[in-house]
This record gives sequence, structure tokens and C-alpha cells, in this order.
Amino acid sequence: DAGVIQSPRHEVTEMGQEVTLRCKPISGHDYLFWYRQTMMRGLELLIYFNNNVPIDDSGMPEDRFSAKMPNASFSTLKIQPSEPRDSAVYFCASSPDRDRGNEQFFGPGTRLTVL
Amino acid sequence: DQQVKQNSPSLSVQEGRISILNCDYTNSMFDYFLWYKKYPAEGPTFLISISSIKDKNEDGRFTVFLNKSAKHLSLHIVPSQPGDSAVYFCAATDPAGNQFYFGTGTSLTVIP
Repeated sequence: DAGVIQSPRHEVTEMGQEVTLRCKPISGHDYLFWYRQTMMRGLELLIYFNNNVPIDDSGMPEDRFSAKMPNASFSTLKIQPSEPRDSAVYFCASSPDRDRGNEQFFGPGTRLTVL
Repeated sequence: DQQVKQNSPSLSVQEGRISILNCDYTNSMFDYFLWYKKYPAEGPTFLISISSIKDKNEDGRFTVFLNKSAKHLSLHIVPSQPGDSAVYFCAATDPAGNQFYFGTGTSLTVIP
């Protein structure tokens, strides 16, 4: 398996523009997580899905952020409109089931810069 | 509020010596703890974990110690190698097990 795939790897955009980040989880994994990494807060969980259904989106910072998982092999995180403070590295991770002994597998991340 | 804290943003050690990375947590419901390692431009990768029913778990050069009364865990790397230079994240989860709570990370530099 190729692991968790994220695209794009880098995104530079201007304030006010819409940004869409994409994730393909590992096949067969039931859980998908979106994280944001910042120096101040480390890895923050934004939202996670179980079997394509959003379970907890309490970490989504504002209504400008939205996430979807239309099928088991694809998820998007959208920011509209984007702001400079959204600049960060966004990670997608997946895990096989709710057994806590199974770790989450992370993608390489998308580095977002909002000018 | 951060439920998992790593108070040392960075650490430098000489090759061959011991590296000790520390992590504190506030939620007494946490019962499973993990360490992740992250290289630049890559996603975090799982390193080692420990259940709250144990106080020590060892895997090769890596050992994690858990002190539940102090709500503290540490990762020991012996001997440290230059390839260990990375950012290390501590994470915790509660019995529901769905969500990991991560610390802010400690950047380890092993000096050859």
C-alpha cells in the first residue's frame, strides 16, 4: 500500500481565496483524521470520520473550515475564505479500527501558506 | 487547553548518550499513550506506546516510562544516534479511544 496520500504537498494562496486539501486514506481503514500542526499548539485534531461519517468536528476552528468524506477512499478539507492565520501544515491520518492499540498512519502533509 | 504538554521545545545530546524526552498530561482518564517521530517534510510515524496498566515498555533502543501518579511519561533513547534527530510528539487517548491528544513536540538533535 502507498500509505496515506495527500495533495497538494504545498499550497500558496492569497487571503480570501478558497483552498481545498485532499486525502486518500489507506485502503480498509475505517477512521480518517484531519490535523493541523502549528508551533504554538502542536498537532491539533480538526475533525475525524468513521466509515465516512463525521464523528467529531469540535476542533474545526471556524465556519470557514469544512470537511467531507464522500467515500471510503477520499476526503477533502476546505477553507473558504482563507486567512493568513490559517497558514500551517495540515495532516491527514487514517487508522484501521477503533482498537486503541492500532496507531494512526499519517500522510506527508500539505504546507499551506496564505499571503 | 492543552491536555498533553511537552515543555521542552528542543533538546541536544551527544551521539551515544541518552536522550530523555518528557511529557505531562492533565486528564486522569487517559489510559493509553504513544510517541510519534517526525522528520522534516514527512508525516509523523508511530514509535512506541504504553498502556496505563504498565509502567515501562521497551523496544530496542527506545523505552517509555509512565508515572500515573505524576501524570508524566518519558521516552528514553539509548544510545542516541544522529538518525534519531527529529521532532518527537507525545500523544494520549482515553478509553473511548477515538481521538489522540498530541503535545506540541520536542525537537531532538543528536550531535555526532
